[in-house]
Amino acid sequence: AQKVTQAQTEISVVEKEDVTLDCVYETRDTTYYLFWYKQPPSGELVFLIRRNSFDEQNEISGRYSWNFQKSTSSFNFTITASQVVDSAVYFCALTFYNTDKLIFGTGTRLQVFP
Amino acid sequence: SQTIHQWPATLVQPVGSPLSLECTVEGTSNPNLYWYRQAAGRGLQLLFYSVGIGQISSEVPQNLSASRPQDRQFILSSKKLLLSDSGFYLCAWSVTGGIGAEAFFGQGTRLTVV
Repeated sequence: AQKVTQAQTEISVVEKEDVTLDCVYETRDTTYYLFWYKQPPSGELVFLIRRNSFDEQNEISGRYSWNFQKSTSSFNFTITASQVVDSAVYFCALTFYNTDKLIFGTGTRLQVFP
Repeated sequence: SQTIHQWPATLVQPVGSPLSLECTVEGTSNPNLYWYRQAAGRGLQLLFYSVGIGQISSEVPQNLSASRPQDRQFILSSKKLLLSDSGFYLCAWSVTGGIGAEAFFGQGTRLTVV
């Protein structure tokens, strides 16, 4: 089965706390691609990162970092020193070599309080 | 640069009325086009995708249809809306032939069927 699971439905933190959003995926394909998207209250999904299955190197972009571990089929997203503007729904998604379709998780709503 | 336009932003329609949501992409040719629906508190469900003019694939049986009359135009329609059609509809595009390419999303249309 091809599936993305985001077990955390909602997370609340106070500003400046670090927070990790979990993403676990299932696939039998050896070539696949993982994504994170942010959906602010305005509704539009904003692309954050893309990672292919052959690149397990972790990535850092400012306060954002991603930890890809094939051994546990996880692609977790950490926000360091969270800010109120980080409040949004975050989606993890999966696609494969022979398709253009994205499979989304159910999303994690992050609320950052001042 | 590429942009995607989706309208209207919000829509309230009575049960049994028709629906037409439009999406256009600028700055690219022959994009893959998608319609997703996001029900309240849930993830994104792929409804339709298109790899070219007149080529539509439906992911789930439903009360909706899609058409692609021009290369960069994607329309979501219904002849008679149901209450269950309420939700947030997102149009997206990706590069044709882009293996594992990310999708870029429009602003979305919030549809309420009353």
